[in-house]
Amino acid sequence: GEDVEQSLFLSVREGDSSVINCTYTDSSSTYLYWYKQEPGAGLQLLTYIFSNMDMKQDQRLTVLLNKKDKHLSLRIADTQTGDSAIYFCAEGSTGGGNKLTFGTGTQLKVEL
Amino acid sequence: KAGVTQTPRYLIKTRGQQVTLSCSPISGHRSVSWYQQTPGQGLQFLFEYFSETQRNKGNFPGRFSGRQFSNSRSEMNVSTLELGDSALYLCASSLIDSSGPTDTQYFGPGTRLTVL
Repeated sequence: GEDVEQSLFLSVREGDSSVINCTYTDSSSTYLYWYKQEPGAGLQLLTYIFSNMDMKQDQRLTVLLNKKDKHLSLRIADTQTGDSAIYFCAEGSTGGGNKLTFGTGTQLKVEL
Repeated sequence: KAGVTQTPRYLIKTRGQQVTLSCSPISGHRSVSWYQQTPGQGLQFLFEYFSETQRNKGNFPGRFSGRQFSNSRSEMNVSTLELGDSALYLCASSLIDSSGPTDTQYFGPGTRLTVL
């Protein structure tokens, strides 16, 4: 079955790097996603990685994928107060149709 | 391009009533998915519609239903509301063809439903 896990909280100082981790169980996932949710808002797509890739960089964001351990991470360089939000990883279903299974979300708090 | 829009943004209902939520996808997107977000259960997939057909369904009771129109707009309906249906309901659209794999989903701001 599908299951996606994340740690609940992460606190970092402004200017430091943040690393948010995620583990998943569905080895047939095609894409893995990172979404950001600010208070009272919907989900904002940050980035995604195809399952045959190991790494993807997009400006301050770096995604690392370890398929063997089914581990995904999101690194945010030079973290700013505006990065404070809940971050969700999600895996895409490959069984036909369009379905995302989300992790529990990691609340990132950026302190001055 | 305009993003995914959802109406209404906020809704208050009482137990036993029914509710209809609306979602307009990004122009050109043909797939619409619905998710429920609650503090206890997190984000859970409800169903997905493509070309006016329900293509995928999550593990929710039959009180939750939906439909998609020929212009790709979608509605979801919840009948006989329960207190536990209080949640943020998110709609997502994606540009996908009938044979493609999972495609990137773009989310709307959600409808906050409160059941009293």
